[in-house]
This record gives sequence, C-alpha cells and structure tokens, in this order.
Amino acid sequence: DTEVTQTPKHLVMGMTNKKSLKCEQHMGHRAMYWYKQKAKKPPELMFVYSYEKLSINESVPSRFSPECPNSSLLNLHLHALQPEDSALYLCASSQEGDHTDTQYFGPGTRLTVL
Amino acid sequence: AQTVTQSQPEMSVQEAETVTLSCTYDTSESDYYLFWYKQPPSRQMILVIRQEAYKQQNATENRFSVNFQKAAKSFSLKISDSQLGDAAMYFCASRTSGSRLTFGEGTQLTVNP
Repeated sequence: DTEVTQTPKHLVMGMTNKKSLKCEQHMGHRAMYWYKQKAKKPPELMFVYSYEKLSINESVPSRFSPECPNSSLLNLHLHALQPEDSALYLCASSQEGDHTDTQYFGPGTRLTVL
Repeated sequence: AQTVTQSQPEMSVQEAETVTLSCTYDTSESDYYLFWYKQPPSRQMILVIRQEAYKQQNATENRFSVNFQKAAKSFSLKISDSQLGDAAMYFCASRTSGSRLTFGEGTQLTVNP
C-alpha cells in the first residue's frame, strides 16, 4: 500500500482565518514532506520532517507552520495567508528521507485564499 | 547543484501509438536517482518509474520504459500502446545525496482517440 491521504481536498479561506491541512500515511515511512504547487509548474519543497523532527525549512514565511505529531501524521497550520498563497499543497512521504528513497505523494489540498 | 530539463512543454500522441518524452539532467555526483512522475487532471502525483544511476539496465514498468544514457545525462520515458488514461503532465526528477528532489518543468501529454 503506497497511500498518502490528505484532508481537506479543497479549502477556501479569508486572509484573517486560521486553518490546518492534514496528511497521513501508514506505510511506516519516517520522512514526510510539504510541497506547494502552482498551476502548470513543478512542486516546490517547503518543509521536510525526518523522524518527527523538522530537518528542512525552505525559507517558508512564518504564516505557514508545520507540525508532526507522530510518524504517521503531518499538519500544516495556516494563518494570515495572502492571495498569492493560493495553490495546490502536496504532502509526500518516503522511507528514511535519504536520496535513495522514492517519495510517494498524496492527492493534495487545493487552497484558495480570498 | 543539479538541474533537470524537459525541452518539450507539450506532446501529443494517437491512442495505441508510442511516444517518447525527453529529459536531461546535470549533476556532478556519481550516486543519484532518477524518477518520472505523472500528474493527471486529478492532480495526484503518481510515480511512473525509477532508475538508479548505478544500474546499467533500463527500468521498465509494463508499458513504460526509460532510455537511460548516463554519459549523455539523458533519461527519456517511452510510453507504448498509449491509452487515454495516460494523458497527464509528466515530470522528470532527480535526487543526489544531500540534495532535494529536483523536478523539470514538465511535459503535458495529450492522447488523441
């Protein structure tokens, strides 16, 4: 089973709202990732968690706050977003976070910021 | 730093025909991994095929195969017997030790009935 699930599928929020995106995997993977993807562009890495610790933050604005409560769950907390933050947010997981891994992606959350 | 280049923004193929998508990469590392991902309109990124650089044999997965030319730093994807469900954006990607997964800009494939 190579399934990564994400909720919600769609999210519309105002610039003053606080919302969270959720990602879950049950493959026993120890690395989890958040990517942001604009239309017709490749995904851009935002954060990497390895063994439940934040290992990479690609200089993402603080209005995005990741959280890894356990090895199967990854959250992305959103606060005071801007309209330009509207995008598809993809979660991925891999075995160890090593370059030899294959990353498996979830279906994404399409976020619209009004 | 590594770069991945997909020179074909769009490609089209007739159903049941064969199509090849191009990808070149640039890295100074000897240990790296190459991937093709497919992203249909449903937007989920799906792994199509993976190639380890140390393996000389080209990877295959059913109708999908790669032509891995290490010296030329080329990693093209061949889709045989194209089906309507193959229509998608295809991303080539590479990863070396200590680096991020690096994607190309993608090739939009249309399959015509």
